[in-house]
Amino acid sequence: QSAPTQPASVSGSPGQSITISCTGISSDVGTYNLVSWYQQYPGTAPKLMIYEGSKRPSGVSNRFSGSRSDNTASLTISGLQAEDEADYYCSSYASGSRLFGGGTTLTVL
Amino acid sequence: QVQLVQSGAEVKKPGASVKVSCKASGYTFTDYYIHWVRQAPGQGLEWMGWMNPDTGNVRYAQKFQDRLTMTRDTSITTAHMELSRLKSDDTAIYFCERHHDYSENNSWGQGTLVTVSS
Repeated sequence: QSAPTQPASVSGSPGQSITISCTGISSDVGTYNLVSWYQQYPGTAPKLMIYEGSKRPSGVSNRFSGSRSDNTASLTISGLQAEDEADYYCSSYASGSRLFGGGTTLTVL
Repeated sequence: QVQLVQSGAEVKKPGASVKVSCKASGYTFTDYYIHWVRQAPGQGLEWMGWMNPDTGNVRYAQKFQDRLTMTRDTSITTAHMELSRLKSDDTAIYFCERHHDYSENNSWGQGTLVTVSS
């Protein structure tokens, strides 16, 4: 099973919305909704931003939202802020093994 | 508070083995799987496998099947990851992660840099 595909980079201006896609996600019935999104700043550990496809941990801004359609999951960040500039990774499962997308670097212009 | 504290940086020669520890505190150790994830310099995250600390059951990524061993010592709430037959492209930061697919309770260790060099 190959890793999900993410765009290498996305950018947006403060206040705008951006969406990061994660394609090629398995449609295994048992793990269909088990998509997570992580934010990572350079030199630090990743931070969970979305789990179960669309749920947001407490403490994560409601500017972050997740969704899924068929074999593509998406992370949308609305009202972009400078602090959102980071790397973002999706995570899903296929045949019992976990896979991370290649990562997307978000630049806030 | 929940903490995962990993052992310190390691430098190893090709062909050697490395064992990284992950000391958990602030929660019931056996309630959450421990995943190991690595990140090569300038690269993305790579999942290595998971361990159920309650039963000791493990699942490894196919890529690491023949040289990865995950263990735990519940008496000291510590998980271990051992990678053998190291190669230069195993140079990476290795993270342990407390993970539950249906929970927001997710935590990461600080990472352990493993450098493989002759």
